[in-house]
Amino acid sequence: AQKVTQAQTEISVVEKEDVTLDCVYETRDTTYYLFWYKQPPSGELVFLIRRNSFDEQNEISGRYSWNFQKSTSSFNFTITASQVVDSAVYFCGHTGGFKTIFGAGTRLFVKA
Amino acid sequence: SQTIHQWPATLVQPVGSPLSLECTVEGTSNPNLYWYRQAAGRGLQLLFYSIGIGQISSEVPQNLSASRPQDRQFILSSKKLLLSDSGFYLCAWSAGTGVYNEQFFGPGTRLTVL
Repeated sequence: AQKVTQAQTEISVVEKEDVTLDCVYETRDTTYYLFWYKQPPSGELVFLIRRNSFDEQNEISGRYSWNFQKSTSSFNFTITASQVVDSAVYFCGHTGGFKTIFGAGTRLFVKA
Repeated sequence: SQTIHQWPATLVQPVGSPLSLECTVEGTSNPNLYWYRQAAGRGLQLLFYSIGIGQISSEVPQNLSASRPQDRQFILSSKKLLLSDSGFYLCAWSAGTGVYNEQFFGPGTRLTVL
C-alpha cells in the first residue's frame, strides 16, 4: 500500500535561513505522481508542484526547489532564504490513480 | 477559471444532530471530487471520492456519507454526529481527464460537535 512519511513534525527557523522539508514515500505503483501543498493559517491548501515518477530532474521555482530521488524514494522540498510568509503546514502527497495519499504534514515556523 | 466553493465556513452542532456540507465547482466539467477531514493538528484523511454523478467511493467506514447529485456538486452528510466528527472538512477537485492530476481545494468547513 502507498504511504507517505513526513518525519519532521515541526521546524522553526529564523528568516533568511534555508530549510528543507523531507518526504519519503512507499509505493508499488510503477507510474505515480508526487505533490507538495502548502496550508497557510487560513486553512485552504495551495498546490505547489506535481512531479511524475519518470522525471527525476530537480525543479526550481523562485525560492522553492524540489529534489526527487527515486533510489531513496524521497521528494524533498527546500525553501531558500525563508520569509515569515512561508510559515505554514506543508503536505507531501502521492498518487498512483484517483486517490492521493498525504503525509502528516510539517509545520514550518519562520521567525522574523 | 475554475472555482470551488464550500459552505458553511464554520458550523457548531450538537451530538446526534444531522449534518450537510456542500461543495460546488465552477468552470470545469466532469471533475473528480473529494472530501477530506483534518483533525486538529493532524494530517489529511480522505473520506470519499467521486469520478462521476452517483459514483461514490468510501475510504473510511463511519457515520458519514457522500452524494453527488449533479456533476459539479458534492455533499457530505451524517444522520447523527459524533464528538469525533469534529474537524476541518475540505472539498477538492481534480480534472476528470486523467488520474494523476493535482487537486485544488476549497476553503474548508470547520465543524465543532459539542
